[in-house]
Amino acid sequence: ETGVTQSPTHLIKTRGQQVTLRCSSQSGHNTVSWYQQALGQGPQFIFQYYREEENGRGNFPPRFSGLQFPNYSSELNVNALELDDSALYLCASSADPTTLYEQYFGPGTRLTVT
Amino acid sequence: TQLLEQSPQFLSIQEGENLTVYCNSSSVFSSLQWYRQEPGEGPVLLVTVVTGGEVKKLKRLTFQFGDARKDSSLHITAAQPGDTGLYLCAGEANAGKSTFGDGTTLTVKP
Repeated sequence: ETGVTQSPTHLIKTRGQQVTLRCSSQSGHNTVSWYQQALGQGPQFIFQYYREEENGRGNFPPRFSGLQFPNYSSELNVNALELDDSALYLCASSADPTTLYEQYFGPGTRLTVT
Repeated sequence: TQLLEQSPQFLSIQEGENLTVYCNSSSVFSSLQWYRQEPGEGPVLLVTVVTGGEVKKLKRLTFQFGDARKDSSLHITAAQPGDTGLYLCAGEANAGKSTFGDGTTLTVKP
């Protein structure tokens, strides 16, 4: 158990809809990173939040956005869902945004877009 | 774009056998992590290697970071069915940001 939790576990949405995924970071961790893992592939970095500010972004369009709250929990929002957005969405928390020495992942949210 | 290539993509072996999986890149990484992921779950961190040439052992698992910090290997001795899973390597090129390979799916048959 890493102490990182995500909700919901599974979600089914229709193309064009919007979705919000949630992540609670491990106690003492101030950094949350979000990843998208398509079937049969490794996770791809979406963005990172550190102390409520975006701290780096991968190659994802602006319809992928996020928030981090004062308690360091985080949300990932995806607008105008496309079929290719179907994936496992992972969040990971760490105590230091400059290193991956101890980055712990949550169990993920499985999003299916139909 | 930093790419990590993992090989083999799939590996199926009998219990008790030894195996090595590889993670290669043309980019230099400040650190490299190995994770194991089971279906429907998030990756679990196994080890972080930092120094070129570094070797770390975790019970039956031996991890090596290449001298140039561009590649890494994971060796498992006397594999057990509980070792079954997806093994992912991730390189840290930009501080605190991971680039993952697509993983090696290992199946250990009893």
